[in-house]
Order: sequence, then C-alpha cells, then structure tokens
Amino acid sequence: EPEVTQTPSHQVTQMGQEVILRCVPISNHLYFYWYRQILGQKVEFLVSFYNNEISEKSEIFDDQFSVERPDGSNFTLKIRSTKLEDSAMYFCASSLDRARLGNTIYFGEGSWLTVV
Amino acid sequence: AQKVTQAQTEISVVEKEDVTLDCVYETRDTTYYLFWYKQPPSGELVFLIRRNSFDEQNEISGRYSWNFQKSTSSFNFTITASQVVDSAVYFCALSESGGGADGLTFGKGTHLIIQP
Repeated sequence: EPEVTQTPSHQVTQMGQEVILRCVPISNHLYFYWYRQILGQKVEFLVSFYNNEISEKSEIFDDQFSVERPDGSNFTLKIRSTKLEDSAMYFCASSLDRARLGNTIYFGEGSWLTVV
Repeated sequence: AQKVTQAQTEISVVEKEDVTLDCVYETRDTTYYLFWYKQPPSGELVFLIRRNSFDEQNEISGRYSWNFQKSTSSFNFTITASQVVDSAVYFCALSESGGGADGLTFGKGTHLIIQP
C-alpha cells in the first residue's frame, strides 16, 4: 500500500540553525501538507500545497517556515533560525484532492525535531 | 470555541472490555467530513475512518464501530473486546467544505490504555 515517507525520523539541532525536513508524498496525490504536534498536544495544521504553490497556511506558518517541491517526488519543510519552541513532531501528509472535498489525508510517520 | 472536542483525556480499561471514545464537533457547513486517526506509541498517525455529513449510517469494521449522530453533532468510536494493541492516542478530526482550512482540524485526542 502506498505511503507517505519522511526523513529524518529524528533530528537534533542547535537553536538558531536551519532545518530541512523531507517528505515523499503518495505518488498520485495532488495536495500536500505539513502538520505539527508539540509533545502531548493536538495535531495542528501548518500549510497545504498544491500545484507548486502554497494553497493555505495557518497562523503558525510564519516567515520562519517555507515549503518547496524541489522535484517531482519530494516535498520539503524548511525551518529557519530554529527556536526551542519549534521542538515537535512534524508530519507530512498528502491527499488525492482537497481535503475539504472529502478526500482522506494520509500521514507519514513523522519527523521528531528537538531544538537544544 | 473548539471545533472538535474530545472530552476524555485518558481512558483506562482492562483487556476485553468495550470502550467508547467520544467526539463532538462544531461547524456551520452543511457538508463536512469527520475522521478518526490512531496514534500508537511509535508516533505515526494511522487513518481509521472517514464519514461525510450526508451519511449517517453507522459503520462496523471488525471490533471497531462508529456512531455518527448529526442531531447531537457527535461521531463516537467504540472498540469492542479491547486488546492491548489498541492502546494509543485516538484523534477525531473535521474537514469543512466551506470555511476552515484546507486541512483537518483535530481534537486534543483521547489516550486509551488497555491493561492486560
């Protein structure tokens, strides 16, 4: 069964450093997402991406964050100048079409980011 | 106001007991979609079920069943004859066709502990 894959599974970085989290969405899916889950809290929407541009973003997704689809398969989340509060599990996800049309969002296994 | 409320923070039952996880949602849309995801201790988010607002038929899948009631804005999840492997955090989520983000709005999750 096709799945969303993410790398790395865990990354430790020093405060102020830049981090890139990578994802390979399910191959025939058109919408891609990043979500964040701070330890013990709920999963929060960060950004959705369609047709090589951001479709929607939440208040959390400020100028510190950026997303990119550098080639036909990868989808990345870049966090610039990381802060302690960026420590969280970051989930990549994809759906065949827009979630608001009822399409199921499938999640990867997550990338656990620890900022020290 | 929370759009998805999972009032039960943690539930602990003994194996083989039945357990129901509650989910209450809030939306002004007439078309919307409800989801349940499972997050086992390993951290990934596993899709369990999707239900659209026009389909109030209850669904059963093995030991899992879901009760969708528009009159009370609830989408409850029951596990029959629970097993230790059911131990996980379960999230209810909402996708709205009109307002809301492209993605999902999650509840805070219910931590289910199945004791042997």
